Amino acid sequence: DGGITQSPKYLFRKEGQNVTLSCEQNLNHDAMYWYRQDPGQGLRLIYYSQIVNDFQKGDIAEGYSVSREKKESFPLTVTSAQKNPTAFYLCASSINDLGNQPQHFGDGTRLSIL
Amino acid sequence: AQSVAQPEDQVNVAEGNPLTVKCTYSVSGNPYLFWYVQYPNRGLQFLLKYITGDNLVKGSYGFEAEFNKSQTSFHLKKPSALVSDSALYFCAVRGYTGRRALTFGSGTRLQVQP
Repeated sequence: DGGITQSPKYLFRKEGQNVTLSCEQNLNHDAMYWYRQDPGQGLRLIYYSQIVNDFQKGDIAEGYSVSREKKESFPLTVTSAQKNPTAFYLCASSINDLGNQPQHFGDGTRLSIL
Repeated sequence: AQSVAQPEDQVNVAEGNPLTVKCTYSVSGNPYLFWYVQYPNRGLQFLLKYITGDNLVKGSYGFEAEFNKSQTSFHLKKPSALVSDSALYFCAVRGYTGRRALTFGSGTRLQVQP
């Protein structure tokens, strides 16, 4: 079945450690997105990519980095500079970034601090 | 700048009664509007969208939404609620121009009592 796969489902980070969250899609979508979800705050955009080898910062990009070397993959690295990384991270994709198409979401990665 | 307001943190309805989840938005120019639903520890699922045309939009699982340009609202409705509709609902907006990503509301928890 086509969809978005996020892994791992749960992740623990130690102080000073970088961790990478995986997001893979087989929908042949051009655009991909990373969101952070905190209780009561909805979804906040971290980074998005309109096409391979291109990406833009969202509203809360500090302490995060991404790459888009392949159309199917958009990994997110949470760096040690992100002081409050505990959250639910959601990856999404859409056919294009024209705005008139819905985004499809993965089932998320829950990141916690050890 | 674009923004979304979901004024109710929680909405409670009895099974079989009609439900409304409110959403107002702010965007430059014409909007693309979306409703998504989230079940616990899952990603968001697309319910419906307004792009252009009829102000009443029908979507998945019997949900519909009414676009009101003068009131900048896009309220989600269902004629008869089910216990299984209990979940977290998000409204999202994007303008035809400008920021090339969705802005989400903070979410409304719908609780349907048997």
